Amino acid sequence: GAVVSQHPSWVICKSGTSVKIECRSLDFQATTMFWYRQFPKQSLMLMATSNEGSKATYEQGVEKDKFLINHASLTLSTLTVTSAHPEDSSFYICSASDTGRLGEKLFFGSGTQLSVL
Amino acid sequence: GENVEQHPSTLSVQEGDSAVIKCTYSDSASNYFPWYKQELGKRPQLIIDIRSNVGEKKDQRIAVTLNKTAKHFSLHITETQPEDSAVYFCAASTTGNQFYFGTGTSLTVIP
Repeated sequence: GAVVSQHPSWVICKSGTSVKIECRSLDFQATTMFWYRQFPKQSLMLMATSNEGSKATYEQGVEKDKFLINHASLTLSTLTVTSAHPEDSSFYICSASDTGRLGEKLFFGSGTQLSVL
Repeated sequence: GENVEQHPSTLSVQEGDSAVIKCTYSDSASNYFPWYKQELGKRPQLIIDIRSNVGEKKDQRIAVTLNKTAKHFSLHITETQPEDSAVYFCAASTTGNQFYFGTGTSLTVIP
């Protein structure tokens, strides 16, 4: 299967700082990437859909000024949590859709555990 | 939009028994149905998938069935092992650009 790399895997930051999370498709081009938030023992909550070269589409209730998404290339999307606060602490996962050779399969990054103090 | 429901939310089985997880979807245009296994703190891993032109697919101890008319699909795990313990998610997709996930099933295999 395809490989999606996500960094960092764990970050601890002070309240008010910004944190950037990177998501890369290593062996395929991903025109679409997705960002999720996951609370312990709960399902994946889609935050936004990121399309290369255009603005991300945010789900209802997700603050776009709070969670900045940039998809500058076919292999890289970034999520920046701006002015993070303790309530932003969560597990963030990206995924990328390989609509080419693998026919629309979805592959996930390894996730980023964000802890805001 | 699509609505995917998944049952049960928790499932405990004895080692060696079978486990079945069921999902329903609402959008008849959905044509791709993957299943993911997620171990604690790790990424969801694609374990099996099925397309709408197929009714059943099997890969060793794992199988998925799809009933397009009833809009439901199921994951079957036979001869369960402790390492099968994880959270399983179903999903439905129409274009490959949007995936709708079920709420997950926490499977515990009791040795």
